[in-house]
Amino acid sequence: DGGITQSPKYLFRKEGQNVTLSCEQNLNHDAMYWYRQDPGQGLRLIYYSQIVNDFQKGDIAEGYSVSREKKESFPLTVTSAQKNPTAFYLCASSPSGVIGNEQFFGPGTRLTVL
Amino acid sequence: AQTVTQSQPEMSVQEAETVTLSCTYDTSENNYYLFWYKQPPSRQMILVIRQEAYKQQNATENRFSVNFQKAAKSFSLKISDSQLGDTAMYFCAFMNVRGGTSYGKLTFGQGTILTVHP
Repeated sequence: DGGITQSPKYLFRKEGQNVTLSCEQNLNHDAMYWYRQDPGQGLRLIYYSQIVNDFQKGDIAEGYSVSREKKESFPLTVTSAQKNPTAFYLCASSPSGVIGNEQFFGPGTRLTVL
Repeated sequence: AQTVTQSQPEMSVQEAETVTLSCTYDTSENNYYLFWYKQPPSRQMILVIRQEAYKQQNATENRFSVNFQKAAKSFSLKISDSQLGDTAMYFCAFMNVRGGTSYGKLTFGQGTILTVHP
């Protein structure tokens, strides 16, 4: 089945530690995105990548880093510099080259900082 | 920068009735896409409906339809014959399709929690 997988579903981290969230897709999509969702707020874009080996900062990139070494994978690292990392993180992908494409979302990772 | 506003944090409706969720946006662009996404309790985001700004005809998908008022920058979602499975958070989203750094990015509203009562 084609789709987007995120792992783990729940993640706990101690303050001061870096942690990496996984996002994999087998939809052959060029573009991939990371969003953060907080209670009472909509999704906010952290980073996005429209092609392998290239990515851009979104609206709230501080304290996060990404890589895009393979088309299928777009891992997100939450660094110790992120002041308030507890949130729900969603990964999405879409085919590029067609205007107005739907973004397909993964099931999300809930990160809690202890 | 674009902004999307959903002024109704929560709404409720009886099963089989109709409900309308509001969304307004602010942009200086002339062409763009608007979306409604649904996030049920499972938290899986699902596309409900999509509208291109250049198309005057309102989009419809089965029980879901939109009222797109371009001049007023309004994009409301109407759900007819509401079902218990429609209970979810609904997000309005804007996508710029002009070239440049904002190309293809989605800007989301704050969301509206819809509860369908039996």
